[in-house]
Parts: sequence; C-alpha cells; structure tokens
Amino acid sequence: AQTVTQSQPEMSVQEAETVTLSCTYDTSESDYYLFWYKQPPSRQMILVIRQEAYKQQNATENRFSVNFQKAAKSFSLKISDSQLGDAAMYFCAYRSANNFNKFYFGSGTKLNVKP
Amino acid sequence: NAGVMQNPRHLVRRRGQEARLRCSPVKGHSHVYWYRQLPEEGLKFMVYLQKENIIDESGMPKERFSAEFPKEGPSILRIQQVVRGDSAAYFCASSPGTRYQETQYFGPGTRLLVL
Repeated sequence: AQTVTQSQPEMSVQEAETVTLSCTYDTSESDYYLFWYKQPPSRQMILVIRQEAYKQQNATENRFSVNFQKAAKSFSLKISDSQLGDAAMYFCAYRSANNFNKFYFGSGTKLNVKP
Repeated sequence: NAGVMQNPRHLVRRRGQEARLRCSPVKGHSHVYWYRQLPEEGLKFMVYLQKENIIDESGMPKERFSAEFPKEGPSILRIQQVVRGDSAAYFCASSPGTRYQETQYFGPGTRLLVL
C-alpha cells in the first residue's frame, strides 16, 4: 500500500519569508498524482497545487511551487512571500493514475506565520 | 458555482444513537468519496461511490457503518449505534466522471461528537 510521510509536524515562518514543507511517499507505481491541500482553522480542505508524475516540470500556482523529485519520491511545497492567511495545516496526498478510488494523505504539517 | 455541500456541519449524538451525514457533490460530479479525520491526524479513506453503486468500501469499518449514493439526492453516510470513538470530522469529496477525475473537491466536513 502507498504511504505518505510528512516528517515536520509543525513549522513557523516569518511573514513575507519563504518556507518549504516536506513530503515523501512510497509507491511501486510509475504513474500517479500528487497534491497539496490546505486546511485552515475552518477545517475546509482546499486544493493548493497538483503535480502529475509523468511531468518533469514542477507545478507552480502563484506563490506556491513544488519540488518534485520522482527518483527520490519527494514532493516538497514551497511557499514564497508568506502571508498570515497561509497559516493552516498542510496535507500532502497521493493518488494512483490507475486507481482513482482513494487518496492517501500524510499526517499533516501545521504552519504558523508570524507577523 | 456551488462546491461540495455537507450537512449538518456539526452533529452531537449520544452513545447508541444513529448519525446520518449528508453530502451533495459538485453539480455534474458522479463520484463521491468519504473520509474520516481523527484529531491530530490526516484524512483516512472510507468509501468510494458512484451513482447507486459502492465501488470501494475497503476503508469502512465492517459494522455499524454504511453509505449510499442514490440516483436522486445526496450521498448518505450512516453510522448506527455510535460510540465515542466515532467522534471525528467526516469529509466528503467529489470528482467528475471523465476528465480531471484525479482531482477531488472536498466539502467543509461534518464534525461528529459522541457524548
């Protein structure tokens, strides 16, 4: 079974600074999708960014970008120019391209943003 | 542009009662997924349904839990004879049946508290 590991339970960043959240995963598949979801205090799950494994180019969405290292099975999220509204739990998730049935989520990283 | 809707947002039950959680997917989405989030943990897959069919229930407890997605109306997650360990946030997600099926859109969740 696929596993997703987020080794940083909690991180802090100063407003306007850059922070990187780590995620590693374990799979024997070659085709899959990776996601970062944000869960603010409202507990709503918000899609931040997604990456197709077959694409070598790292995905970018405004201030959010990923560093996808397929061989290392690593998928980190970089948040540039951090804002107070970025404070939330961040979950990394894996989904097979052949089996859309489920996501596998990591345990989450709590991001604090200091003014 | 309604997203995934869940109700109720908060539900309090006493041990032994039944809990019914409702999920209306994004308009046009025919795939529904239920996840459970225990405190301080990531989301865990429970069940995947298409209209009138359960596709994958590998994450559902064998007893007391059931799910349905009828031809008309919302998807229902039903928990019979609730126990304190059922206290959690229950998230529903949906995806379209064709393109971009790999991305799931989450509802705001239902917080179940069992007294």
